[in-house]
Amino acid sequence: GAGVSQSPRYKVTKRGQDVALRCDPISGHVSLYWYRQALGQGPEFLTYFNYEAQQDKSGLPNDRFSAERPEGSISTLTIQRTEQRDSAMYRCASSLASAAYEQYFGPGTRLTVT
Amino acid sequence: AQKVTQAQTEISVVEKEDVTLDCVYETRDTTYYLFWYKQPPSGELVFLIRRNSFDEQNEISGRYSWNFQKSTSSFNFTITASQVVDSAVYFCALSEDQGAQKLVFGQGTRLTINP
Repeated sequence: GAGVSQSPRYKVTKRGQDVALRCDPISGHVSLYWYRQALGQGPEFLTYFNYEAQQDKSGLPNDRFSAERPEGSISTLTIQRTEQRDSAMYRCASSLASAAYEQYFGPGTRLTVT
Repeated sequence: AQKVTQAQTEISVVEKEDVTLDCVYETRDTTYYLFWYKQPPSGELVFLIRRNSFDEQNEISGRYSWNFQKSTSSFNFTITASQVVDSAVYFCALSEDQGAQKLVFGQGTRLTINP
């Protein structure tokens, strides 16, 4: 079946612009996670959802970052007023439920802020 | 707090050698889950294995094997008879049952298999 998909795969934006990153999880997966991966590092947690409820947003760096999953399926991560330090690979993952289950990752969105 | 340490930043071996990637973790939970992921040069993150804290049996899958030892808080990964296609960055990760419902990753080990 289809895996986790993310769009766009690459995004170049100018400093100060808003961006929206989309994640389409594996069908039937309850939990959806967002991570950020800097070059040469492991992914770092940003936020996660069970169904449409945002359960934990402790990893969001500041209030320019927000996420939603209004119908419990597709999720959008929004970064307002982007800064150069926001440049990274943003990865989405989904799992059948929460911590006990493996997370399957999408291909990521490479964000470059110029 | 959760923490995962992969002390080996880079490993380089010749094809057909065996290689072990180390992973040490910290957690206060009694129930937790350990994972290994592979990130090949193409960049995707590929799930390899999940173990829960109550199952200390070692696991073998083809050339891959995993050794989980709670006494030393380690979950090491061994590739037997390595192949060039095994070249990748390997990440160990931890999630807690009662704590934060997220994966905490180690820094990764870059494995290069030379022909």
